[in-house]
Amino acid sequence: KAGVTQTPRYLIKTRGQQVTLSCSPISGHRSVSWYQQTPGQGLQFLFEYFSETQRNKGNFPGRFSGRQFSNSRSEMNVSTLELGDSALYLCASTVGGRVDGYTFGSGTRLTVV
Amino acid sequence: GQSLEQPSEVTAVEGAIVQINCTYQTSGFYGLSWYQQHDGGAPTFLSYNGLDGLEETGRFSSFLSRSDSYGYLLLQELQMKDSASYFCAVSEAGTALIFGKGTTLSVSS
Repeated sequence: KAGVTQTPRYLIKTRGQQVTLSCSPISGHRSVSWYQQTPGQGLQFLFEYFSETQRNKGNFPGRFSGRQFSNSRSEMNVSTLELGDSALYLCASTVGGRVDGYTFGSGTRLTVV
Repeated sequence: GQSLEQPSEVTAVEGAIVQINCTYQTSGFYGLSWYQQHDGGAPTFLSYNGLDGLEETGRFSSFLSRSDSYGYLLLQELQMKDSASYFCAVSEAGTALIFGKGTTLSVSS
């Protein structure tokens, strides 16, 4: 079966711009979570969506937002980009319970210059 | 809030056994998971412990002690391909899966 698909794989943006990242979960998976990964900081939780509702939100500024569509696909948006937003953004999907294990996509590498 | 502690780096030689510890502070704890991530790759799920005790999956085992808020991942018969980062992650009631900062395992020949 197809895995979690994230697009684009790489992105270069300028400070002040905004960016939208996309995540298509595994078919049948209704839960999608987003993480930011930077060297030395591990995976920091951004949001979790389940059936189009934001179920949890991490400790990130309001410039970071997301949504989930009826087909479970999810997008995250970062507005007014800062240099510190440069990171690997990972999306993970699961059927609905965390005990099942998350399946991660390969991520979007965002570079802000 | 939650916090997880794991060593930042571990080194070992091929064929050896290595243990990566994880201590956590959470409320409403459900379980402890482990993920592996190779350089440039996506994290992949290794194991989940919801109850105290040992879970074994091939060369990998994971242990949980809920009373001690402690778990570990045990890797046996180490191979070069096991060189990767390993993350512990906690599940809590009503919150998302929260990850530790990861342990970089370097296996040498």
